[in-house]
Amino acid sequence: DVKVTQSSRYLVKRTGEKVFLECVQDMDHENMFWYRQDPGLGLRLIYFSYDVKMKEKGDIPEGYSVSREKKERFSLILESASTNQTSMYLCASSFSFGQVGNSPLHFGNGTRLTVT
Amino acid sequence: RKEVEQDPGPFNVPEGATVAFNCTYSNSASQSFFWYRQDCRKEPKLLMSVYSSGNEDGRFTAQLNRASQYISLLIRDSKLSDSATYLCVVKSNYQLIWGAGTKLIIKP
Repeated sequence: DVKVTQSSRYLVKRTGEKVFLECVQDMDHENMFWYRQDPGLGLRLIYFSYDVKMKEKGDIPEGYSVSREKKERFSLILESASTNQTSMYLCASSFSFGQVGNSPLHFGNGTRLTVT
Repeated sequence: RKEVEQDPGPFNVPEGATVAFNCTYSNSASQSFFWYRQDCRKEPKLLMSVYSSGNEDGRFTAQLNRASQYISLLIRDSKLSDSATYLCVVKSNYQLIWGAGTKLIIKP
């Protein structure tokens, strides 16, 4: 069974702090994703990565950066946290993504970040 | 107009009833379609893919209407455990576009 693990379930940070959200998957998936989920909005893609050291901007990358130094680990970094980054953050991985890939996304159980 | 739209609900349905909800999408060139289920305070999980000819998985039936650009999910003989938010996902231009979800509450 695929397991995607996010380092923290709940996190409270102050405005201006640098925040690291970690995600690890154990299925050797090439693709990894960071989403945020807010009430009334669909999941919004922040960044994704299809290989080690590769990263692509999603729909809302501003204020975020990512790191993928190892295949199993994808980190999301908030360089200077702001209150509008208070949200649920979901990491996901999949085996393939592209023209022929319909592999399901496997999600971690989320990190609820509150920035005060 | 949002790229993927869903009625947010909640749909309050008695146990045993049949319920259906739709999801509309704006990009006529969308390639693939999915339904995910998200329980309260949990992560989304794939419920089923939606195929052009329609497909069934037990009590769940998914349909695609390309002409009118919507997909639907039908749940027969609903169970209390079906209570969840159902997320519509559309693959367009090699990206996944997520609906905000339809909340379903099954009442005893």
